[in-house]
Amino acid sequence: GQNIDQPTEMTATEGAIVQINCTYQTSGFNGLFWYQQHAGEAPTFLSYNVLDGLEEKGRFSSFLSRSKGYSYLLLKELQMKDSASYLCAAMDSNYQLIWGAGTKLIIKP
Amino acid sequence: DTAVSQTPKYLVTQMGNDKSIKCEQNLGHDTMYWYKQDSKKFLKIMFSYNNKELIINETVPNRFSPKSPDKAHLNLHINSLELGDSAVYFCASSQDLVEPLDTGELFFGEGSRLTVL
Repeated sequence: GQNIDQPTEMTATEGAIVQINCTYQTSGFNGLFWYQQHAGEAPTFLSYNVLDGLEEKGRFSSFLSRSKGYSYLLLKELQMKDSASYLCAAMDSNYQLIWGAGTKLIIKP
Repeated sequence: DTAVSQTPKYLVTQMGNDKSIKCEQNLGHDTMYWYKQDSKKFLKIMFSYNNKELIINETVPNRFSPKSPDKAHLNLHINSLELGDSAVYFCASSQDLVEPLDTGELFFGEGSRLTVL
């Protein structure tokens, strides 16, 4: 079957760095997405990886290892506004998204 | 201008009623979706339409019927509402993968919170 695993909840301190891991199993692979969802709001796109390696976008970076079925989202210089759920989603061979349940990130002062 | 808009944002209704949620996107995208997000925050795909044609129809009760009058609109009609239908319903759209840099990222509407009493 197809599935995505990511931690349910993580806690970090303002100003620190946090890494949210995601492992996936899909029938074929056409990329890995990360979305951010604040409470009561819609998910918004953060990053897309289809090749191995690190993609950096300001304070956020996303890494992919296709051979390991593994990705992580790295958030630096954490701010209180980064408190949200982070959703990992893998695109299978039919270009359908398989979603994880999301990781709720709590930022403490 | 709102890219993906859905109405209503909040809907409270009694069991057994019929209700509709409307969705419109002004991004010129070819594909539109309906997702259900329950209290556990897990996003589940319900339907997907590409250029007005149904391409995904997950295991969803036939009380749920999508309608796409044109590629910019995808409405969701729900008959005989049940308590378990209470959730947030998200409409989304994406562009077909044509150009090398296209990612197919989803653009979500703000969600419609349905509460069935």
